[in-house]
Amino acid sequence: DAGVIQSPRHEVTEMGQEVTLRCKPISGHDYLFWYRQTMMRGLELLIYFNNNVPIDDSGMPEDRFSAKMPNASFSTLKIQPSEPRDSAVYFCASSLGPGLGGTTDTQYFGPGTRLTVL
Amino acid sequence: LAKITQPISMDSYEGQEVNITCSHNNIATNDYITWYQQFPSQGPRFIIQGYKTKVTNEVASLFIPADRKSSTLSLPRVSLSDTAVYYCLVGGDNQGGKLIFGQGTELSVKP
Repeated sequence: DAGVIQSPRHEVTEMGQEVTLRCKPISGHDYLFWYRQTMMRGLELLIYFNNNVPIDDSGMPEDRFSAKMPNASFSTLKIQPSEPRDSAVYFCASSLGPGLGGTTDTQYFGPGTRLTVL
Repeated sequence: LAKITQPISMDSYEGQEVNITCSHNNIATNDYITWYQQFPSQGPRFIIQGYKTKVTNEVASLFIPADRKSSTLSLPRVSLSDTAVYYCLVGGDNQGGKLIFGQGTELSVKP
């Protein structure tokens, strides 16, 4: 397996534009996670899916952010409109399970998308 | 929600043993402790996971005391390629269902 695939690797856009980040999880993994990483806040969980259904989106910073998982092999994170403070590295990760409540599931991270909003 | 704390940075020299301690006071009974490693421009990568006492693999050892309120990642004989950020992760029920990463410890290995 190629691992978790993210695209694009780098995105530079202007404030107010729509940004769409894409993720292909590892085949057979039922859980998909979106994280954001910044120097100030570290690695933050934004949302995660189980079998394509959003389970917890409480980490999504505001309504400008939305995520979808139309099928088991594809997910998107959309920011509309984008703002300079959204500049960060966005990671997608997948796992067999959630790693919660006594489970031991390892998360496999993609290479990340470095987003710069001017 | 529980707070996870670990040192912001550590320095070491090649060949030394490095121990990084993570504090997780509110760990729940069922939670496992996991450590990840992150190199620049890459996503975090799993290193080791444990529940209690000691776990060892080909990369590291993990020491967890009986009260499980802290854990120590031990890297034997580090090399320059071990320079990275190391994250302590405690999952689950006592974190509001979220997986909480610590702030990470930036380890710098010098020749």
